[in-house]
Amino acid sequence: DVKVTQSSRYLVKRTGEKVFLECVQDMDHENMFWYRQDPGLGLRLIYFSYDVKMKEKGDIPEGYSVSREKKERFSLILESASTNQTSMYLCASSTGQEAFFGQGTRLTVV
Amino acid sequence: KQEVTQIPAALSVPEGENLVLNCSFTDSAIYNLQWFRQDPGKGLTSLLLIQSSQREQTSGRLNASLDKSSGRSTLYIAASQPGDSATYLCAVRSTNAGKSTFGDGTTLTVKP
Repeated sequence: DVKVTQSSRYLVKRTGEKVFLECVQDMDHENMFWYRQDPGLGLRLIYFSYDVKMKEKGDIPEGYSVSREKKERFSLILESASTNQTSMYLCASSTGQEAFFGQGTRLTVV
Repeated sequence: KQEVTQIPAALSVPEGENLVLNCSFTDSAIYNLQWFRQDPGKGLTSLLLIQSSQREQTSGRLNASLDKSSGRSTLYIAASQPGDSATYLCAVRSTNAGKSTFGDGTTLTVKP
């Protein structure tokens, strides 16, 4: 069975902290994505990656960075967390065909 | 730039009804279209994927159709059940893009 796993379901961090959100897929997919989802704003793409060590900015990359050192793992980094980054974060992977999502990480920045 | 619209934003039906959810897109040069289901506080679950060369896909009580020329897709749910209550999103991947554009979703409530 296809699996995309996000490291945490819920996370509470303090303003200014460096935050790492981890995503692992077991399907050998080339493409991986990070989205955030907010009420009234839908899903917004933060960053995506077509291959190891490659990354592309999405629609809202400001305040975020990513790392893809291995094919199966795509990390989202909040360099200095702020309250406006409180959100649901969703990771996805695909071969370019069907996309599969993780269970989501609800991040609260206080 | 591709834009994806889902109307209505919310829908409430009694159990047992057949229903149709709509997805419209502005650029017909698409690679594929995917329908997802999202339960509150959870991730997205893939329901159906339609390639640009296909007209429809079926899985159980679900049937998705695609009309590229008119920029529309529909998700038909037969004999709805309370367990079908969720938000349904469509995602369109354009031929010139490696990423998909998502609609805002339709929140479906099926009342027992």
